[in-house]
Amino acid sequence: EAGVAQSPRYKIIEKRQSVAFWCNPISGHATLYWYQQILGQGPKLLIQFQNNGVVDDSQLPKDRFSAERLKGVDSTLKIQPAKLEDSAVYLCASSPAGLTGELFFGEGSRLTVL
Amino acid sequence: EDQVTQSPEALRLQEGESSSLNCSYTVSGLRGLFWYRQDPGKGPEFLFTLYSAGEEKEKERLKATLTKKESFLHITAPKPEDSATYLCAVPGATNKLIFGTGTLLAVQP
Repeated sequence: EAGVAQSPRYKIIEKRQSVAFWCNPISGHATLYWYQQILGQGPKLLIQFQNNGVVDDSQLPKDRFSAERLKGVDSTLKIQPAKLEDSAVYLCASSPAGLTGELFFGEGSRLTVL
Repeated sequence: EDQVTQSPEALRLQEGESSSLNCSYTVSGLRGLFWYRQDPGKGPEFLFTLYSAGEEKEKERLKATLTKKESFLHITAPKPEDSATYLCAVPGATNKLIFGTGTLLAVQP
């Protein structure tokens, strides 16, 4: 079974530039999550989708971050404009249904903002 | 406020030297506690779910236990391949997972 796919693995941008990350969850998984993991910290949830609807985006900085999950399958997370403090690993995860706590994570996209 | 605290932040063991990692939590109405392993440059990998005090789960050299206030991840006779960051997480009031900062375990041969 294929795991959660993410791209790009690495991205370096200047502050105020924009960046987009893509995620393809495990086939059949209804729930998709985007987490931000800053070096030395645990993952922090940015947004959770159930199929193509948003369940929780309370910690998403909506003035600069946006995410969508078209057709309830893959998802894109965008940052525009980026700030220095956005440097982090952006992890996508999926689970079969709702919040079970047993999430399947991708390898992450490491963003460096200069 | 819902909170998860892990200790120690880092732990260095010799191969075969058993030890325990701690995860303490403050949440109203525990709806599960989850342990993950994270290797450098990878996403977290699910290990265990614990739901009630007294529950134990085992996998190879790892055993997770749960009390009303904390969980322990016991590592028996660790090997270098057990080196990783171990994260614990609990669902908060809004049901989203709250992760601790992790314990970085290094097992030296």
